This record gives sequence, C-alpha cells and structure tokens, in this order.
Amino acid sequence: GAVVSQHPSRVICKSGTSVKIECRSLDFQATTMFWYRQFPKQSLMLMATSNEGSKATYEQGVEKDKFLINHASLTLSTLTVTSAHPEDSSFYICSARGGADGTDTQYFGPGTRLTVL
Amino acid sequence: DQQVKQNSPSLSVQEGRISILNCDYTNSMFDYFLWYKKYPAEGPTFLISISSIKDKNEDGRFTVFLNKSAKHLSLHIVPSQPGDSAVYFCAASATGTASKLTFGTGTRLQVTL
Repeated sequence: GAVVSQHPSRVICKSGTSVKIECRSLDFQATTMFWYRQFPKQSLMLMATSNEGSKATYEQGVEKDKFLINHASLTLSTLTVTSAHPEDSSFYICSARGGADGTDTQYFGPGTRLTVL
Repeated sequence: DQQVKQNSPSLSVQEGRISILNCDYTNSMFDYFLWYKKYPAEGPTFLISISSIKDKNEDGRFTVFLNKSAKHLSLHIVPSQPGDSAVYFCAASATGTASKLTFGTGTRLQVTL
C-alpha cells in the first residue's frame, strides 16, 4: 500500500514552453500532497503544499505564477512549470500524505527529471 | 538555517556490520521524525519513523533511536547489506504545520563486501 506515481518520469522541453507533471496516489486518498525539487547532491526542497479542493500554499521564494499546482481530487495533483527556463531544470518529486497508517508519513513518487533546453 | 542536520555526508561500512547514521535537529517543536532511503534519480522510500513520545522504534533490520534532550536521532541498520547502499535522509515535522517535512542534507552509505 501507499504507492505514489508520477508522470512523466523524464521530460525535455524548449525554453518558454510549459510542462505539466502529474502525481497520483494509487491505493489511498491523499488529503495533502507536497511538491519538492532536488538539485544535484542537495537535499529535497519543499516548494508547495496542496490540499484537495483548495489553493496551494507556497514556500517562501517559490513563484506561484510560475509553478502552478492543482489538486483536483484526493488522488491527483498536478504541477505545471510555466514558461520554463533552463534554470528550472531539476528533479521534481511529489509526495502524498494520508495513507492507511494515519500518521504524518509522506510517501514519495519516483520523481520527474525536467530538462529545459 | 538548517534545522535538520546530518553532519556525515558519507559512511562506509562492511557487509554484516552495523551502520549508524546520525541526525541532529534544532527546532524543539519537531515531534515526528522519519528516515528515508533514496537512490539516484528516484523518489525517497520511507523506511521507519518515530514519534517524540517514544525513544526507540524497531522494524526488522532498522532501528531508530530518539534522544529528545540532545535533539538527536540515529538510524541503526544491522546487519548491513550491499543493497542498503544509498543516500539516507532524516526528516522531521511538527504538529500543526500541515505535516511539512524538513529534510536533512543526507548521508551516503556504502556497504562494502
């Protein structure tokens, strides 16, 4: 149980285009989902917290108009990187909370490698 | 301000021996702690967690110890296996913060034959 999927696993896009990344909780309903990014050899940096049916809460320094988050259902959250630039190239990881264990444990997706040319 | 610290960036342990990974935190509001294992280009995999009401939690080869007075936790893996080679992150959260996790910087464990 507590499986989280992400799609796509890898995406290459041109500068100026938008990219959508999906995060799904496959076997549980996720009341809260989180989006992180990780730079090489660094820790995970929380970008935003999304709750189903409400606006996402962004961490300081994260542009909400650039990183659009939609949590349309209890099993799906999407991150859209708008007008992508090479500096947005990174490893994006989502997590979901709300597994059967009822704890604050977050279960992570496999990540999406974004490369902006 | 690094609220969760893993001061050892890397650790090498022989197969069959004990691996001890350490983590320190500064925020006294943290009351739930987790360890994750991560391979390159993959998402973290949950290993084990501990609530601040406990000082030890065990799951198979993995045991987490929490010393609240020292604001220190450790992960013990015994016996270590080559498949345990990965980067290990500790993370912490506080009640009332919407379960936001603060991650340490990670320790790369290498289990040698």
